[in-house]
Amino acid sequence: NAGVTQTPKFRILKIGQSMTLQCTQDMNHNYMYWYRQDPGMGLKLIYYSVGAGITDKGEVPNGYNVSRSTTEDFPLRLELAAPSQTSVYFCASSYLGGRDSPLHFGNGTRLTVT
Amino acid sequence: AQTVTQSQPEMSVQEAETVTLSCTYDTSENNYYLFWYKQPPSRQMILVIRQEAYKQQNATENRFSVNFQKAAKSFSLKISDSQLGDTAMYFCAFMKHVSGGGTSYGKLTFGQGTILTVHP
Repeated sequence: NAGVTQTPKFRILKIGQSMTLQCTQDMNHNYMYWYRQDPGMGLKLIYYSVGAGITDKGEVPNGYNVSRSTTEDFPLRLELAAPSQTSVYFCASSYLGGRDSPLHFGNGTRLTVT
Repeated sequence: AQTVTQSQPEMSVQEAETVTLSCTYDTSENNYYLFWYKQPPSRQMILVIRQEAYKQQNATENRFSVNFQKAAKSFSLKISDSQLGDTAMYFCAFMKHVSGGGTSYGKLTFGQGTILTVHP
């Protein structure tokens, strides 16, 4: 049972480069989320999705884009990477909207922008 | 807006002893959920325990229990018989259901975290 799988685990980007963080889940969860965790801080929501084809912004969406073409996959796109995007990124999923079902997290991607 | 405060940046405890991690939150909501997540050095976020605000009874999960004081907006985590594997960052989180723009979800607000070290 793989759960939520994120790739890559680590990445170093130069300022202005772009990349896509991959996230896939095999639990047939409707809800998926992208969070970022800055050093010494809790997680903040970037984007979320309530199902295939439906996405919406979270607290800190600027500089990111998402898509949800399938139930399983929820990639996060960084365009024109900036040092402020240096963070650890977590993908998560839940069967319901999180209130009555816990979030399942991936192992995170550590991104450094220099 | 909701805020979650964990006032203890770091805590340490001897193996087999009991430790309590503090969490307070600020909200005007009446219906919400509270969670404690554990993040070990592996970085994975693991749900430890959750509490529904409408339940007066404190949640327990084996060695983990909470002291939920709704009026005081306090949600502390007690770890009994601490084990070396409990060493981790612990996050308190508040969840309320939000909707707008045709979608809705459980919005999680996290505290800053408490680093717990269990010593042998």
